[in-house]
Amino acid sequence: QQQVKQSPQSLIVQKGGISIINCAYENTAFDYFPWYQQFPGKGPALLIAIRPDVSEKKEGRFTISFNKSAKQFSLHIMDSQPGDSATYFCAASMGSASKIIFGSGTRLSIRP
Amino acid sequence: NAGVTQTPKFQVLKTGQSMTLQCAQDMNHEYMSWYRQDPGMGLRLIHYSVGAGITDQGEVPNGYNVSRSTTEDFPLRLLSAAPSQTSVYFCASTYSPGQNYGYTFGSGTRLTVV
Repeated sequence: QQQVKQSPQSLIVQKGGISIINCAYENTAFDYFPWYQQFPGKGPALLIAIRPDVSEKKEGRFTISFNKSAKQFSLHIMDSQPGDSATYFCAASMGSASKIIFGSGTRLSIRP
Repeated sequence: NAGVTQTPKFQVLKTGQSMTLQCAQDMNHEYMSWYRQDPGMGLRLIHYSVGAGITDQGEVPNGYNVSRSTTEDFPLRLLSAAPSQTSVYFCASTYSPGQNYGYTFGSGTRLTVV
């Protein structure tokens, strides 16, 4: 019940295309859903986050779509650029809990 | 403002050896955690701390010990290294994980146990 399932494991998108990464969770007590971006040799960095009281959050080219009834959320990267090539992790946490549960990661490659 | 500093960046250990991975943050964050990253398995929580003197186990705590004597430091100890502990280790900190601050991660320690 603590798992966050992420797909796909890897993704190749042409420059200018839309990259979509999906995550699903079981525990309805989760109330904070961040996405992290990780470049090779670096630690993950917070990219964007959403709470379940909204269905969508947009920051620049990055959008989170959230479907509370389906217990699913996804990251959309519009106009994907080679600089977006990285590993992306979805995650979930609950209330004041000091733990964040991460998905297994998606390695995104943007072809020029 | 250095953020989260991890040392060393690389380490090779022989099976059975012990060592301590260091983690320090200068952001006055109360919450600190240790994760290991393995291919295809994402980030798995080893141990975490909600403040000085308070620690708890995560998903994969076996073979690791932690302590939190100060707000700034959160070292991870490998008691008797095993090849299964070959991984990349990340330390992370935050004001509060349930709020909109997110975690700040260190740059990682790549550990190989032979």
